[in-house]
Amino acid sequence: EAQVTQNPRYLITVTGKKLTVTCSQNMNHEYMSWYRQDPGLGLRQIYYSMNVEVTDKGDVPEGYKVSRKEKRNFPLILESPSPNQTSLYFCASSWTSGSPYNEQFFGPGTRLTVL
Amino acid sequence: AQSVAQPEDQVNVAEGNPLTVKCTYSVSGNPYLFWYVQYPNRGLQFLLKYITGDNLVKGSYGFEAEFNKSQTSFHLKKPSALVSDSALYFCAVNYGNMLTFGGGTRLMVKP
Repeated sequence: EAQVTQNPRYLITVTGKKLTVTCSQNMNHEYMSWYRQDPGLGLRQIYYSMNVEVTDKGDVPEGYKVSRKEKRNFPLILESPSPNQTSLYFCASSWTSGSPYNEQFFGPGTRLTVL
Repeated sequence: AQSVAQPEDQVNVAEGNPLTVKCTYSVSGNPYLFWYVQYPNRGLQFLLKYITGDNLVKGSYGFEAEFNKSQTSFHLKKPSALVSDSALYFCAVNYGNMLTFGGGTRLMVKP
């Protein structure tokens, strides 16, 4: 089944404790992206990747890191989480780097709480 | 910079009635517009998109959207709402390599 998977689905952590949220897709998509969803703000793009070893900042990259060493994986790293990073995070992927035409496939989301 | 506005936080409609969820956008150049739906505890699912051509775009689950360049709008519509359509709907514009979302509109369809 074609899908985007994220782990963990739920995470409660404390300020400053480094964490990684994994994202994997099995559709051979070039483009992958991370979003955070906050009430009333919709989804905001954190980072995206056009292909392996190519990443770029979205609208809200502060406090986050990403890497794209393999085509299927795009982990989101919070080196020193803070309470304002408490949010619902979504990973997404799509075909064809750079194309504006292709819809994105979303993972199920990771609900992160930073105490 | 591009932006998307969804002026209604919530839309209430009775089952069987037509529904409209509003979206306006601001972008330089040609807009590439999308609608996504989010059901409770799920990720977003693609509904439809406008790239070019016919201003009326048909999508999944009987939804359609009308692109209006002069009003910079891309309203989502359905002729007859179902209770199962109740969900959170997002309009988005693709510009360059990024996707910008509106704040979302919660659609409540009552029996």
